Parts: sequence; C-alpha cells; structure tokens
Amino acid sequence: NAGVTQTPKFQVLKTGQSMTLQCAQDMNHNSMYWYRQDPGMGLRLIYYSASEGTTDKGEVPNGYNVSRLNKREFSLRLESAAPSQTSVYFCASSEANAGNTIYFGEGSWLTVV
Amino acid sequence: GNSVTQMEGPVTLSEEAFLTINCTYTATGYPSLFWYVQYPGEGLQLLLKATKADDKGSNKGFEATYRKETTSFHLEKGSVQVSDSAVYFCALSVNDYKLSFGAGTTVTVRA
Repeated sequence: NAGVTQTPKFQVLKTGQSMTLQCAQDMNHNSMYWYRQDPGMGLRLIYYSASEGTTDKGEVPNGYNVSRLNKREFSLRLESAAPSQTSVYFCASSEANAGNTIYFGEGSWLTVV
Repeated sequence: GNSVTQMEGPVTLSEEAFLTINCTYTATGYPSLFWYVQYPGEGLQLLLKATKADDKGSNKGFEATYRKETTSFHLEKGSVQVSDSAVYFCALSVNDYKLSFGAGTTVTVRA
C-alpha cells in the first residue's frame, strides 16, 4: 500500500540550479498538494490541484511552478533555487471534500547552498 | 482569514504523565478540525479529526473535542508513552479541502 510517494528524499542544490520534485498517489484522489515545512512555522501550502487539469496558488507560491501531469502525478519545480527555499517539502492528496483526510508523503529534504 | 494557534513547545514529560496541547482557531464558516502527528524522519499522519461542533475525535488514547463556543480543539492523552514522542500539528479546513496548520508542538516523553 504505497499511498503518496515522492522523490527524491534528499537533494542539495546550488543557488540558481533548477530541479523537479516528483509525487505520485495510488489512492485515486482528485486533489493533490505541495507543502513546505519550516521550523516554527508549521506547514504552508505552496500550490494545490483540486482536480486533474487544474492548479492554484497557495500561501507561498513564489519561486515555484507545478504540473498536474495526470490524476496520479503532481510535480513541483524550482526554476532557479534560492537559499530561502531550503526546506522540507511534502506532497499530499485527498478526496476533494471538506473534512476529508489529507494523506502525506514522507517528505523531501532540500538544501540550497 | 483562517488560522490555527497552538501552544508552543517543546513539551517534555515523563512516561504515564497527562498530556494536553492547546489549540485554538479562527475561521470564516464552519471548519473541520484535525490533529496530525509527525514521528521523527517521517511524514504527517492523521491522528484524529472532528467535523462539527461537540464532536469528539479519538485515536490511540488521544482525544480532542470540537468546542465552537471557545473555538478550541485541545488534544489530550491520559498516560503518555515514550513512543508518543513526536511533533503534533493542529489544523483546520473550511468549506474546501486545503489545510491550515498550526506551528506544531514538539513532545518528548522520557522513560
């Protein structure tokens, strides 16, 4: 039972480099999300996709782009990484109804030097 | 806007002690409320939830009651174990399905 799978788990980037975080879910969920976790700030929503073919900005979208490739996959791209993007990134998915449980991946630790 | 405020940690307890983590919220509309737990090196897992006022969520000995009159959803456990050491997040969603999280409370239980 894989749930939400995200890769890579660890990555070190140099300032200005680009990279894509991959995420896939096998629960047939309509909605998918990317969050970042920083000390003392909880999790903040970067982008979300309510359904296949749609994406919307969350609280902290600047410096990121996303692609909802199909119902299963939702990728997050950093076009030009900055040290402020050093964080732990979590992909998540859920059914698209208020009150439904959101399921999280195990996280991707990204360091930008 | 929607926001969650939870008690700051870290919290350090001895085994079998009583644990309370306070959580209050501000929301437009009628939120669903959640507690998530993050064990070291892992992603977040749903611990419990409540979707309407006066509902009580419970799981693994943890409980929280949705109190609309005090806009609170405090997490409690009567007797903690070392395995309960984790970071606990209070969260809400209103009308849609996006979660707003509190800052998290780190709990350490000593044997």
